[in-house]
Amino acid sequence: SQLAEENPWALSVHEGESVTVNCSYKTSITALQWYRQKSGEGPAQLILIRSNEREKRNGRLRATLDTSSQSSSLSITATRCEDTAVYFCATGRGSALGRLHFGAGTQLIVIP
Amino acid sequence: EAAVTQSPRNKVAVTGGKVTLSCNQTNNHNNMYWYRQDTGHGLRLIHYSYGAGSTEKGDIPDGYKASRPSQENFSLILELATPSQTSVYFCASGGLGFSAETLYFGSGTRLTVL
Repeated sequence: SQLAEENPWALSVHEGESVTVNCSYKTSITALQWYRQKSGEGPAQLILIRSNEREKRNGRLRATLDTSSQSSSLSITATRCEDTAVYFCATGRGSALGRLHFGAGTQLIVIP
Repeated sequence: EAAVTQSPRNKVAVTGGKVTLSCNQTNNHNNMYWYRQDTGHGLRLIHYSYGAGSTEKGDIPDGYKASRPSQENFSLILELATPSQTSVYFCASGGLGFSAETLYFGSGTRLTVL
């Protein structure tokens, strides 16, 4: 079974709306990262939130982390068509921080 | 800007053949990684390296070898390719930041084993 899992599996919103993707994970972590992957490209990091942080923002993006429930969320406000992508959460731990465990991803479609 | 380049972009191989996927990074990062991506599984770590001359097994290393001849280059080798290795392969480099590591990914190599 996967150590990190996003939900829902897929969702669509209209441009300008807000959207939230959730992540649950199964191990203790040092940090959790959110990545976005557009079609035909490699993943690109959006936000890195450390285990001692509860919230992190990056422009229209806001990530939260709750280590007690082992969950995280990524919210996007004022969505744009270019936000259409697959969104992954990835967890890392200790000295093997680059050995990230990725979920299967959430496919987000933003409708013009 | 961080740059990770993979080659080839697409590859078709025959079962039992040898396949080498190449990766070059200009980030001067010590750490490099090979992941494969399959529908429903996300990205899974195959091999990684902490620097030139070092390679380590990831979560799914069986059937793969890796080589890190220099800081910039990291190769993934399939000595005897099988259809189950049909996938999209991503290389990444990482610069160790404070208590966490951001990975910079290449654009991927789509491998089909017939």
